[in-house]
Amino acid sequence: QSALTQPPSTSGSPGQSVTISCTGTSSDVGSYLYVSWYQQHPGKAPKLMIFEVSKRPSGVPDRFSGSKSGNTASLTVSGLQAEDEADYYCSSYAGNNNFLFGGGTKLTVL
Amino acid sequence: QLQLQESGPGLVKPSETLSLTCTVSGGSISSSSYYWGWIRQPPGKGLEWIGNIYNSGKNYYNPSLKSRVTISVDTSKNQFSLSLNSVTAADTSVFYCARLFYHDTSGFHMYFDLWGRGTLVTVSS
Repeated sequence: QSALTQPPSTSGSPGQSVTISCTGTSSDVGSYLYVSWYQQHPGKAPKLMIFEVSKRPSGVPDRFSGSKSGNTASLTVSGLQAEDEADYYCSSYAGNNNFLFGGGTKLTVL
Repeated sequence: QLQLQESGPGLVKPSETLSLTCTVSGGSISSSSYYWGWIRQPPGKGLEWIGNIYNSGKNYYNPSLKSRVTISVDTSKNQFSLSLNSVTAADTSVFYCARLFYHDTSGFHMYFDLWGRGTLVTVSS
């Protein structure tokens, strides 16, 4: 099993929206609704932002949203704020109690 | 609230065994809804799932690491542990322990909802 594919970087200005893609296969992202997204600031532990494709944990702003189409999941951050600058990782259940992570996307707020 | 804390040596010699422990506080490792997992992150790189364990001892490993990994649980101490043998410099990473929300009355879930702060382990002679 290979890591999920994410763009290495993306950027946007404050107030704008950005979308980060996460591409897997029909054996992982395409087969399950167990896609999650994590935010990681430098030197910090990952923080859960989205689970089960599009659900937000309590305390996560509704500026963060998730979706999935086929083998590709997406994280959209609307109304960009300076504190959104971080690395973002997707994860998917891959069957047989295995999990995959993406390579990560660095989001820069210009 | 529940917290996880990794502990163990920060330096391991090549070919030796890396051993880490995760202590769970503020809650029970025996909760039926959760698995407990290890994830690593080489410096400047992405996350890699290592494996998970249930309070019964049932475990699952990343196929790419399975030959070198053992994850165990000690419910009496509210801890679970990671052993990775035959380490090389490529195993140098920040190691995170995390809680996997597995299932509840509404069904299966499969996401890591709580993470420890991580601990850097360097493999070097």
